[in-house]
Amino acid sequence: DAGITQSPRYKITETGRQVTLMCHQTWSHSYMFWYRQDLGHGLRLIYYSAAADITDKGEVPDGYVVSRSKTENFPLTLESATRSQTSVYFCASSESGRDNQPQHFGDGTRLSIL
Amino acid sequence: TQLLEQSPQFLSIQEGENLTVYCNSSSVFSSLQWYRQEPGEGPVLLVTVVTGGEVKKLKRLTFQFGDARKDSSLHITAAQTGDTGLYLCAGARGNFNKFYFGSGTKLNVKP
Repeated sequence: DAGITQSPRYKITETGRQVTLMCHQTWSHSYMFWYRQDLGHGLRLIYYSAAADITDKGEVPDGYVVSRSKTENFPLTLESATRSQTSVYFCASSESGRDNQPQHFGDGTRLSIL
Repeated sequence: TQLLEQSPQFLSIQEGENLTVYCNSSSVFSSLQWYRQEPGEGPVLLVTVVTGGEVKKLKRLTFQFGDARKDSSLHITAAQTGDTGLYLCAGARGNFNKFYFGSGTKLNVKP
């Protein structure tokens, strides 16, 4: 009963480096999401995916790239990290796109960019 | 600017007191969810409300969706230390499960 797991839990990197955050879910949920959580802003949607090979932008997509070749995985890549991307990143999944469906969140990745 | 404004941002109360957290917007939402988040963990869903005027109860927690579906409130009766956490509201707009989150209310219940 793993649910949704994110890795790594903590990451420190330098500006300009590429970094990939991993997200894996065991429920075969169709929808997956990436959020960032910053003080005073709550959670903001970066990218989402409705199914394998279908992705779309959220509120704050600039500087991020996603892919979804398999239903269970939804990695998030920062191609050239900047200090403003220091944040806590959460991956979530939901069974469908209906708005009464719960989103199930991972425990987050705390990313620091120096 | 946030689509959903939560108030208060911080709340520190004694065990046994009552409290209300508000989630307001000028936009209409098709549904609204409340989550609770503990330090070092992801948010966990408490409730979803979908109908204007709807009231849902979860033990000592009462959730209300405004008649116009622009606002919501969370009322906790006789708070306990286990209620401590960050409470987030999230409103759905659009054709799929796309939620806009408020900035959260950090609740501390003291023994």
